[in-house]
Amino acid sequence: QKEVEQDPGPLSVPEGAIVSLNCTYSNSAFQYFMWYRQYSRKGPELLMYTYSSGNKEDGRFTAQVDKSSKYISLFIRDSQPSDSATYLCAMKPGSTDKLIFGTGTRLQVFP
Amino acid sequence: DAGITQSPRHKVTETGTPVTLRCHQTENHRYMYWYRQDPGHGLRLIHYSYGVKDTDKGEVSDGYSVSRSKTEDFLLTLESATSSQTSVYFCAISETQGGNTIYFGEGSWLTVV
Repeated sequence: QKEVEQDPGPLSVPEGAIVSLNCTYSNSAFQYFMWYRQYSRKGPELLMYTYSSGNKEDGRFTAQVDKSSKYISLFIRDSQPSDSATYLCAMKPGSTDKLIFGTGTRLQVFP
Repeated sequence: DAGITQSPRHKVTETGTPVTLRCHQTENHRYMYWYRQDPGHGLRLIHYSYGVKDTDKGEVSDGYSVSRSKTEDFLLTLESATSSQTSVYFCAISETQGGNTIYFGEGSWLTVV
């Protein structure tokens, strides 16, 4: 079993929809949680970074961490075609250098 | 965009040949990383560096070596390329230990035939 599980999609939604992207994990030591966006043939781009549990909002994006359920989410409000990309979750325990990535969910937002 | 340049961006090489990928940064960040990205596996850490001449192994380091002689340059060498090393390779940098904010380069596409 992988330490981090993420549905590969693709997830296809109409423009303006609210998108929910999720990851589950098995290592209770994870404390830092990140979401990256990756456009086709580009490097991952850091979107959100959260420490421990709770919510964090940045514009149309909200990251949510539920450590009791070992479940993290990224919500995108008012989705746009430019949001079409692969979204990667990543997480790690404490101050180590070793991020563990999910395999990514491909999102398609159609006009 | 973080100042990270990877070279070459695309390379086709033959099995058994050595290959070196270069990562150059202009941010003066202390920490540098090499990842590979494969379908079904996501991003996996190969090697990382926490300073000049200071490196350590990641989870998929077999068949790879690294060197860092200057803060700005981190080299990844495939000593004898195999078809299983066909992948996309990403360099990443971080200012802080633990890499809470890691920034990635644009990737190097390597095909081993």
